[in-house]
Amino acid sequence: DQQVKQNSPSLSVQEGRISILNCDYTNSMFDYFLWYKKYPAEGPTFLISISSIKDKNEDGRFTVFLNKSAKHLSLHIVPSQPGDSAVYFCAALNYGGSQGNLIFGKGTKLSVKP
Amino acid sequence: KAGVTQTPRYLIKTRGQQVTLSCSPISGHRSVSWYQQTPGQGLQFLFEYFSETQRNKGNFPGRFSGRQFSNSRSEMNVSTLELGDSALYLCASSLDGRASETQYFGPGTRLLVL
Repeated sequence: DQQVKQNSPSLSVQEGRISILNCDYTNSMFDYFLWYKKYPAEGPTFLISISSIKDKNEDGRFTVFLNKSAKHLSLHIVPSQPGDSAVYFCAALNYGGSQGNLIFGKGTKLSVKP
Repeated sequence: KAGVTQTPRYLIKTRGQQVTLSCSPISGHRSVSWYQQTPGQGLQFLFEYFSETQRNKGNFPGRFSGRQFSNSRSEMNVSTLELGDSALYLCASSLDGRASETQYFGPGTRLLVL
C-alpha cells in the first residue's frame, strides 16, 4: 500500500504562472517531509523540506504547505520558469528514524511552457 | 567537493545473470542508501549502509544485496536477474544518515535486463 501518493503524474504550466504540486500521505507517524527535483539522466536533488511542527516553509520561489489534519502537502513554485521542468518527488519520514525510512511518492512531471 | 558517483552508468544483462553496481559517496559521508526507480513504482528504498553495516532494509527479495567498504564506498549486487529488475538504481549519501541531513544522489545506473 502506498504511504505517499502523488496522484498527478504530470502537470503543465505556462511560464510565469504558479505551479502547484500535491502530495498525500497515509502514515500518521510521518513528521518530516521533503521535495526532490529530478532532471533526466541526473539523480534527484533536494529542494525543500518541512517539519510537522510547521505548516509552511519558504525558500525563494518555492513554498511547501503542510496540512496535517488532511495529511496533505503541496509545493508551490512562483513564478514558474522553463528550467523548473523536471520530475518532482515528495518524500516523507519519521524524523526519529534514519534516512532509510525515507518513503517517496511516484513523482509528478512538471512541464513549464515558455 | 566531488559529488556522488556511480558506475557503470548503463548496463545490459540477460535474465539469470548477476550484476554488481558501485557507488562512491561524497568524501566524508558515511551513510550510503540505495534506491530503485521504475516508472510504475517510483523510488523505492533498497537498503542503507553505515560504517560497513547494513542499518536499514527495504522490502526487496534476498536477490538484492549490498555491502560497504571501510572507505564508505558501496556496492549492490543483484543475482538471478529478472526482467522486472530493469530500472534506474540510485545511490545517495549523507554524513551520518540522520533524518535531519540532506541526502545527495548520484546520477544512477540504468540497468536493462533482456
